[in-house]
Amino acid sequence: AQSVTQLDSQVPVFEEAPVELRCNYSSSVSVYLFWYVQYPNQGLQLLLKYLSGSTLVESINGFEAEFNKSQTSFHLRKPSVHISDTAEYFCAVHASNTGKLIFGQGTTLQVKP
Amino acid sequence: KAGVTQTPRYLIKTRGQQVTLSCSPISGHRSVSWYQQTPGQGLQFLFEYFSETQRNKGNFPGRFSGRQFSNSRSEMNVSTLELGDSALYLCASSFRESNYNEQFFGPGTRLTVL
Repeated sequence: AQSVTQLDSQVPVFEEAPVELRCNYSSSVSVYLFWYVQYPNQGLQLLLKYLSGSTLVESINGFEAEFNKSQTSFHLRKPSVHISDTAEYFCAVHASNTGKLIFGQGTTLQVKP
Repeated sequence: KAGVTQTPRYLIKTRGQQVTLSCSPISGHRSVSWYQQTPGQGLQFLFEYFSETQRNKGNFPGRFSGRQFSNSRSEMNVSTLELGDSALYLCASSFRESNYNEQFFGPGTRLTVL
């Protein structure tokens, strides 16, 4: 069975500092990988995704994630965070054999001024 | 283009009652998926409908059911409510089956069971 582990439940960071949100997955089949963001009282929004090709994927607001097959990881990074990045971030994996989207437990990013 | 809408946004029920939640996908989207979000269990997949057919189902008891109509709108029903059913129920739509297509989420329905 597939699973997703987000290693940190909360990540506090100061504004303009770099941040990394860690995500590891377990799967014996090919997967598609996603990062979603959830702002307070809102639904989830897709931040970025890895389907194939280049292992480094970027979002329009400065986040990037790198697919590492050997380490089964898909960590999310941003070189300089803003207060507005405060939200909950979910890593998700879609496995080709089950057709289900499996989410990690989420990481709350708290950006402090 | 309007986003995914869910009604009602908030709901309070008592144990033993049943509830129906509604989801209207983005126009043109034919796939609708439902998720349950709780602080303890996180986001868990309930089921997916595509063209009025259930394509996939999560590990939830039979009290949880759903359906999709010809206009792609979907409803989710929970019968014999339990306290543990209190959660945020999220609906997501996509143009095709949700294998690798981006899912667009609604704001959710917050269900409280007393």
